[in-house]
Amino acid sequence: DAGITQSPRHKVTETGTPVTLRCHQTENHRYMYWYRQDPGHGLRLIHYSYGVKDTDKGEVSDGYSVSRSKTEDFLLTLESATSSQTSVYFCAISESTSGLSSYNEQFFGPGTRLTVL
Amino acid sequence: AQRVTQPEKLLSVFKGAPVELKCNYSYSGSPELFWYVQYSRQRLQLLLRHISRESIKGFTADLNKGETSFHLKKPFAQEEDSAMYYCAPNNDMRFGAGTRLTVKP
Repeated sequence: DAGITQSPRHKVTETGTPVTLRCHQTENHRYMYWYRQDPGHGLRLIHYSYGVKDTDKGEVSDGYSVSRSKTEDFLLTLESATSSQTSVYFCAISESTSGLSSYNEQFFGPGTRLTVL
Repeated sequence: AQRVTQPEKLLSVFKGAPVELKCNYSYSGSPELFWYVQYSRQRLQLLLRHISRESIKGFTADLNKGETSFHLKKPFAQEEDSAMYYCAPNNDMRFGAGTRLTVKP
C-alpha cells in the first residue's frame, strides 16, 4: 500500500459536534482528495488539494471544510456534524492530474467510518 | 463536467460464467478511463487503465468511442472477483456510482 494513513479509523459522534479527520501521506504527492462513499452513490468528491494551502470544492462540499498546511497532511473538518454525514470517508493522493500527465492513478487510504448520532 | 455512468448497481453471476460491468461516458475529446476495484475490507485500488491495454486478473476493457463505453469484461468469473467496481475518468475525479459484483459458487 502507498504510504497513506487516515485517522481516526472509526468515530462515533453526536449531531452538532465538530469533527476533524486526518489524512497523512509519505509519498510527497502533490494532489490529495477527500471522498465519501455511500450505498447507491458510490464515491463522491468532497474537496481536493493541488498544493499546500491550495484547495478546491468537489461535488458535495456543503458542510465540509479542508486545510492543507503541509504537503503530507490534508484535514477534513465537519464544523457541525449532521446525521446525513454518516458515511465512510476516503482520502486519496495522486502525483498529477489532467494537463500534466495521463497517468494520474489515485492511491487510496484505508477509510474512516464516521457515525453521527 | 466529464461524467461516467455505471447503470448496474448490483450484478450477480455464477462462477465460470462471463461477466461484463458496464461503464458509459458522456464527454467528448480523448477520454482516458480507469477501472478501480475494492475488495472486502481492502482499499480501493487501480484495476486497469485503458491506455495500457493490459489484462489484469483476467479482466480487460476496451474503449469504444462509437458507443462511448468502457465496459469491463472477464470470460470466466471467479469467486475472488466479488468486489465493488468503479469506473472513473482520468481527469475529473468523479467516479461512477459503482457496481457490486457477486460471483456465486
